Amino acid sequence: AQSVAQPEDQVNVAEGNPLTVKCTYSVSGNPYLFWYVQYPNRGLQFLLKYITGDNLVKGSYGFEAEFNKSQTSFHLKKPSALVSDSALYFCAVRDDNYGQNFVFGPGTRLSVLP
Amino acid sequence: NAGVTQTPKFQVLKTGQSMTLQCAQDMNHNSMYWYRQDPGMGLRLIYYSASEGTTDKGEVPNGYNVSRLNKREFSLRLESAAPSQTSVYFCASSEAFDRGDYGYTFGSGTRLTVV
Repeated sequence: AQSVAQPEDQVNVAEGNPLTVKCTYSVSGNPYLFWYVQYPNRGLQFLLKYITGDNLVKGSYGFEAEFNKSQTSFHLKKPSALVSDSALYFCAVRDDNYGQNFVFGPGTRLSVLP
Repeated sequence: NAGVTQTPKFQVLKTGQSMTLQCAQDMNHNSMYWYRQDPGMGLRLIYYSASEGTTDKGEVPNGYNVSRLNKREFSLRLESAAPSQTSVYFCASSEAFDRGDYGYTFGSGTRLTVV
């Protein structure tokens, strides 16, 4: 069975500081991993994905994520946080076996303080 | 570029009433999905349609029905609304169900309150 965990409900960081939003996953095969961001009263927007290849993936708005197979993690990072990064972040995973749907984590609320 | 359009954006229902949430995509995607979002629980899949003419249950299908009207449209129906169905509902689409390397495009959501 597939599962994904986001161990932190809330992450607070000062503007200009680096940020990390954590995600761990469990799949039986190889994972497809995604990060989405949700701003208030909006749908989820795609940030970045890992399918195969380089473990460090770069995405929109200066975000990046590192795939770590041994730790089954896919943490979202940004070197310098902006107040406008404040939002709800979702990690999603899917097994590369056919017939699976994506499983979404519970979300982590990021607050960047000025 | 409309993407995925959901209507209505807000709705208040009385217990026992019925309603249909509409979703349409203009990206020629094959697969469409309905999720509900509840605080602390992330997104849970209600129903999905891998391709036109097919629908399947997701994680939380009880109390809901769906119709894939054509390739563009996928509706979600609540036959007899219950307070437990108070939630934010998102429709999403993807190019192909069997291509996990493609992500989803989400609509902006329908906020439903059942009183």
